[in-house]
Amino acid sequence: NAGVTQTPKFQVLKTGQSMTLQCAQDMNHNSMYWYRQDPGMGLRLIYYSASEGTTDKGEVPNGYNVSRLNKREFSLRLESAAPSQTSVYFCASRSKANSNQPQHFGDGTRLSIL
Amino acid sequence: AQSVTQLDSHVSVSEGTPVLLRCNYSSSYSPSLFWYVQHPNKGLQLLLKYTSAATLVKGINGFEAEFKKSETSFHLTKPSAHMSDAAEYFCVVSETRYGQNFVFGPGTRLSVLP
Repeated sequence: NAGVTQTPKFQVLKTGQSMTLQCAQDMNHNSMYWYRQDPGMGLRLIYYSASEGTTDKGEVPNGYNVSRLNKREFSLRLESAAPSQTSVYFCASRSKANSNQPQHFGDGTRLSIL
Repeated sequence: AQSVTQLDSHVSVSEGTPVLLRCNYSSSYSPSLFWYVQHPNKGLQLLLKYTSAATLVKGINGFEAEFKKSETSFHLTKPSAHMSDAAEYFCVVSETRYGQNFVFGPGTRLSVLP
């Protein structure tokens, strides 16, 4: 019963390097989300995908791109990493965007940019 | 627009004493409300949810919360704290007409003293 799986769990990058964070869910959910978590700021939405084939910007999209590869998978890409992107990244899924159902979260990817 | 205020950034209780974590929300529509818990270096786990059914909601691990529309509050309580309750707690509001808007509070860190 995996739920939401994120890879990798930890990563260290140098400024300017690129990287893709992977996320997959096995709950047949339509909607998927990427958040970043920084101390004292709760979780902030980077991008989301309300359904397969659609993606939309959240609160803090600059410096990121996303791909909804299929219904299960939603990846987050940093094209040119910056120290300000050092954070913990969480992927989440929900049965559908316009619902009263909760989001289900992965365990996170801890990313450090040097 | 939706917003969430968690009135205490840190709450400290003794083991065996009651827990109260406060949450106030702002929403112009009928909201759904959630509490999540995050243990150190872990993802977010759903504690409980309110979705316009009973105003007193029971969750996992003995937690419960009461939805009070007149006070726009959704405080989380537990009669007797356990050491394993030490974690970060997030209150979340979501409006079904804006399902992708899943707005997090800044979090309350709960410490449980022996």
